[in-house]
Amino acid sequence: QVQLVQSGAEVKKPGSSVKVSCKTSGGTFSTYAISWVRQAPGQGLEWVGGFIPFFGTATYAHKFQGRVTITTGESTSTAYMELSSLTSADTALYYCATNTSSWYFFDYWGQGTLVTVSS
Amino acid sequence: SYDLTQAPSLSVSPGQTARITCSGDQLGDKYASWYQQKPGQPPVLVMYQDSKRPSGIPERFSGSNSGNTATLTITGTQAMDEADYFCQAWDTTTSYVFGPGTKVTVL
Repeated sequence: QVQLVQSGAEVKKPGSSVKVSCKTSGGTFSTYAISWVRQAPGQGLEWVGGFIPFFGTATYAHKFQGRVTITTGESTSTAYMELSSLTSADTALYYCATNTSSWYFFDYWGQGTLVTVSS
Repeated sequence: SYDLTQAPSLSVSPGQTARITCSGDQLGDKYASWYQQKPGQPPVLVMYQDSKRPSGIPERFSGSNSGNTATLTITGTQAMDEADYFCQAWDTTTSYVFGPGTKVTVL
C-alpha cells in the first residue's frame, strides 16, 4: 500500500514559480512511475507530466513542456513538480499519483495541493 | 491529440443500474480506467484495464470496453455511489487522457 503526502497550499503571484512536493511511503520508490495531475476549480482532470524510473527521465504533456520540471529524490522517496511563468489559469488542485501496478492507470493518489495564482 | 467524451450528468434511482459511458476513437484498442471522485476528495481508481476491479471496490461496479465506447456499470446503485466519474486512457501521442467526467446523482 503506497501512501502519498503532499506539501501545503501555495499562493503565488502571476509570473512566478511554484514547487510542490509529494512524499511517498510503502512500496519501492524506484520501481514505479509517479505523475502529476491537476484539476482546476469545478473542472476535470489533466495530466501534467510524470517521472519514469525505468527511463530515468521525466515526460511532460505538450501543453506544459518548457514550463514544468518534475524531479525525484530517491533517498527521500519524494517527487517534486515545479511550474513556472504562472498565470491565473494555473490555479488548481495539483495531485501526485502513482502507477505501481501498471503503466496504464493511476492506483494511488495524494491528497492534493491547492495552488492559487493571484495578484 | 486524443480526446475522450462523457455525458456531463446522469441520474439514477437507488437500486437501479447506472451505465456511464466514455467515447473515443478506437477506444476499444486501448485500456480504459475509471476513477470516482467525491467532493473534496482525490480520485479513487474503481476500474482498470477495462474490467478489473481494484481490491476494496464493491462487486456492483463492472466495466467493459469495445469499439469506440467504454462503459462503467453500477448495478444496484447506492446513495454512496453519488460522485463524479472520470474515464482515462493512455495514448501513444498524448500519454494520459481523461474524459471530462460524469456527475452521477442518486435520487
